[in-house]
Amino acid sequence: EVQLLESGGGLVQPGGSLRLSCTASGFTFSTYAMTWVRQAPGKGLEWVSGISNSGDNTDYADSVKGRFTISRDNSKNKLYLQMNSLRAEDTAVYYCAKETSYGFVDYWGQGTLVTVSS
Amino acid sequence: DIVMTQSPLSLPVTPGEPASISCRSSQSLLHSNGYNYLNWYVQKPGQSPQLLIYLGSNRASGVPGRFSGSGSGTDFTLKISRVEAEDVGVYYCMQALQSPLFTFGPGTKVDIK
Repeated sequence: EVQLLESGGGLVQPGGSLRLSCTASGFTFSTYAMTWVRQAPGKGLEWVSGISNSGDNTDYADSVKGRFTISRDNSKNKLYLQMNSLRAEDTAVYYCAKETSYGFVDYWGQGTLVTVSS
Repeated sequence: DIVMTQSPLSLPVTPGEPASISCRSSQSLLHSNGYNYLNWYVQKPGQSPQLLIYLGSNRASGVPGRFSGSGSGTDFTLKISRVEAEDVGVYYCMQALQSPLFTFGPGTKVDIK
């Protein structure tokens, strides 16, 4: 059974940093690209960042480019999202998600809430 | 970027009746491999999104047969043949043609009349 468990969310002041983690199990982690999607309170889904299976290729939404960094450790089955220079508009539930070989998302984690507020 | 739109944004339904949601993309989602890179997800209250339909018309594992996806190019439809109370939630379409730069529709909230 595929499981994705996010952690690392919490309350942070504007301008601060947080590092989200996602621990994967139930599939061969190193085979699949992974992605982060966020959902602001009461709003829809917004893709944030993606990383290839090897970690060699990364992409970012314009809204987070230059502030967020996605990475992975295939030896630990972990995905990360380093978030710097956080803004109030980054407040959201952040979901870790697995991509299929066709390049769409098939599994989602339960999410971790990030609140940026003074 | 590909822009996704959905209609309606709110859909009150009667159990046992059919329901339909439309999704449109700003450019064709038909890949050279013949698949439409359009997927449907449902987010039930208090839960994470879950995959319903992938590549336009394929039901994900465990998805009831009352759900079906159709369409090609820029116009797609999700149909529920007979709505059940457990189907309440927000339904999102998502394009994966520009993977990993996914874009989602705004969501359609389905609730019981």
